Amino acid sequence: EPEVTQTPSHQVTQMGQEVILRCVPISNHLYFYWYRQILGQKVEFLVSFYNNEISEKSEIFDDQFSVERPDGSNFTLKIRSTKLEDSAMYFCATMQRGRTGTSGTGELFFGEGSRLTVL
Amino acid sequence: GNSVTQMEGPVTLSEEAFLTINCTYTATGYPSLFWYVQYPGEGLQLLLKATKADDKGSNKGFEATYRKETTSFHLEKGSVQVSDSAVYFCALIPGAGSYQLTFGKGTKLSVIP
Repeated sequence: EPEVTQTPSHQVTQMGQEVILRCVPISNHLYFYWYRQILGQKVEFLVSFYNNEISEKSEIFDDQFSVERPDGSNFTLKIRSTKLEDSAMYFCATMQRGRTGTSGTGELFFGEGSRLTVL
Repeated sequence: GNSVTQMEGPVTLSEEAFLTINCTYTATGYPSLFWYVQYPGEGLQLLLKATKADDKGSNKGFEATYRKETTSFHLEKGSVQVSDSAVYFCALIPGAGSYQLTFGKGTKLSVIP
């Protein structure tokens, strides 16, 4: 069964360092998302990406965050200068195009997550 | 704004017991509703969904009915198994071109033999 793959599974970094989290989407999926879950809290939406641009983003997704598809396959989340409060599990999710071709199916497929620990 | 409220956990049940996890939502328009499950050490997986009022989603013995009049989407299973132990998340997508999932806090279910 196709799956979303995320790397690394766990990264420990010092405050102020840059971090890149990577996601390999399911091959025919066109909508991409990043979510995060701080320990013991809700899963929170960060950003959605479609057609090589951000389609929605939350208040959490400030100037320290960026996303891109550098090679047309991987989907990355970059945190430029990490803060202690960025420690969380980061989930990538993808969605395929719906039958009409103009929207998604509404079903997101999630990766297993990348745990980021900022010291 | 959109929000999802689910019952606080953790929930501990004996095998073969009846399960209900309550979920209510607030949304403008006509959202689609979902239950996602997270097994230990794994990512989130879609368990079931309903896209319009009175729809019933079902999968693996779990069911939930989209009740617009009570803005609810309660998850039920008639007889739980140890393998159902996981965290369950209620979620919605608002529709109208947005696919931003809004999650509830999650309810941890432990099923004991």
